[in-house]
Amino acid sequence: GDSVTQMEGPVTLSEEAFLTINCTYTATGYPSLFWYVQYPGEGLQLLLKATKADDKGSNKGFEATYRKETTSFHLEKGSVQVSDSAVYFCALSANNNDMRFGAGTRLTVKP
Amino acid sequence: SAVISQKPSRDICQRGTSLTIQCQVDSQVTMMFWYRQQPGQSLTLIATANQGSEATYESGFVIDKFPISRPNLTFSTLTVSNMSPEDSSIYLCSVRPTGQLYGYTFGSGTRLTVV
Repeated sequence: GDSVTQMEGPVTLSEEAFLTINCTYTATGYPSLFWYVQYPGEGLQLLLKATKADDKGSNKGFEATYRKETTSFHLEKGSVQVSDSAVYFCALSANNNDMRFGAGTRLTVKP
Repeated sequence: SAVISQKPSRDICQRGTSLTIQCQVDSQVTMMFWYRQQPGQSLTLIATANQGSEATYESGFVIDKFPISRPNLTFSTLTVSNMSPEDSSIYLCSVRPTGQLYGYTFGSGTRLTVV
């Protein structure tokens, strides 16, 4: 079935460091891909999305490109801030139905 | 995008009791989803709730343990029945608003602790 494999955490970075969180997927057909963020004590918020190959989703300085050839959707940010500390989830949705999530990656950014 | 009000936000319950979680959406939606997030883990889909039909449960989840109601297009409830400490989790509802193919919105979650 459809699934998402996400880079294991936790990840600890210093402020202004470059961030990459790897995500690969397995799906039949052409899924939509998402990154969600969960700040401490809060629910999930959609960070960015891409709905077809080569699409780039971006928001708040974060970017991810839908790579069909490598079945990947890696999350990147050029310069992280302390306020980016959260858990990040990669997810896919196929056939416009429910969403499947990766295991989540906890990011801690230190000043 | 849709706004979801989920309550209670948290509760501490005795084992053997039941808790009903409510999810209210500010717009009509066809599909609503209930997820569980166990401590330190990812989200697992419990069931899909469509208005006017019985909920569809994922493998490992049964209606007797997690009965769901969906009386209209803006509201759903999930009941966690005969609770045990293993049911301690965050429970989240999610919607896919009508007309928005790829956007999903989540409630803020219900943090349940069973003692």
